[in-house]
Amino acid sequence: NAGVTQTPKFQVLKTGQSMTLQCAQDMNHEYMSWYRQDPGMGLRLIHYSVGAGITDQGEVPNGYNVSRSTTEDFPLRLLSAAPSQTSVYFCASTPDRATDTQYFGPGTRLTVL
Amino acid sequence: AQSVTQLGSHVSVSEGALVLLRCNYSSSVPPYLFWYVQYPNQGLQLLLKYTSAATLVKGINGFEAEFKKSETSFHLTKPSAHMRDAAEYFCAVKNAGNMLTFGGGTRLMVKP
Repeated sequence: NAGVTQTPKFQVLKTGQSMTLQCAQDMNHEYMSWYRQDPGMGLRLIHYSVGAGITDQGEVPNGYNVSRSTTEDFPLRLLSAAPSQTSVYFCASTPDRATDTQYFGPGTRLTVL
Repeated sequence: AQSVTQLGSHVSVSEGALVLLRCNYSSSVPPYLFWYVQYPNQGLQLLLKYTSAATLVKGINGFEAEFKKSETSFHLTKPSAHMRDAAEYFCAVKNAGNMLTFGGGTRLMVKP
C-alpha cells in the first residue's frame, strides 16, 4: 500500500490563480480530510468527507472547495488563491468513525505571491 | 466543543535529560486524546493515543503520556532525550465529526 499520497509536493501561485491539490489513498478508508498547518497554530481542519458523495466544512473552509466522487480521491480546490492561503496542506484518512488513528500524507507546501 | 492547549511553543533539553511536553484539554465529554510527531519536512506520525482505557499510555520511541482528569492534562514524557527526538509535537483531541482538533505544537530541540 502506498498509503496517503499528495501531489504536488511544492507549488507557487500568483494571487488570483486557481489550482487543485490532489490527495489519494489506497486503503479503502471512508473518512478523508484536509488540514492546513501554519506556524504556532497547529493544524486546522478545512474540509472533510465521511464517504463518497458526502463532504462537510471544517474550521477554516473559506476559499476552498472539495468533492468526493470516489472513495480513493479527495481533491482540494483553491478557486482564487490569496497570500493568506500560503501554508502547508495535509490530507489524512481513517477507515471509519470507530477508528481513532488518522493517517497523514506527506504534505503540499503552497506559496501564494 | 473540544480543544487542546499546548504550553510552550519551544522546549529545549540536553541529550539524556527528561522530556516533558505539556497539553491541557477542554471537553464536555470523555475525550479521546492523541500525540503526533512531525519530523522535519515530513507528515504527521501517531506517537500514542488515549481512548478511555488505561490512564498511562505508552507509545513509540520510548514516549508515554498520562491522562489526568482532575488536571485536564495529557502531558507527554520521555525519561531520556535522544538527538533523533528533535521534532515538532502536536497534541490533539477527537471531535464530534471524528476529525482532530490540534494544539499549536511544541518544537523540541535536543542539545548534545
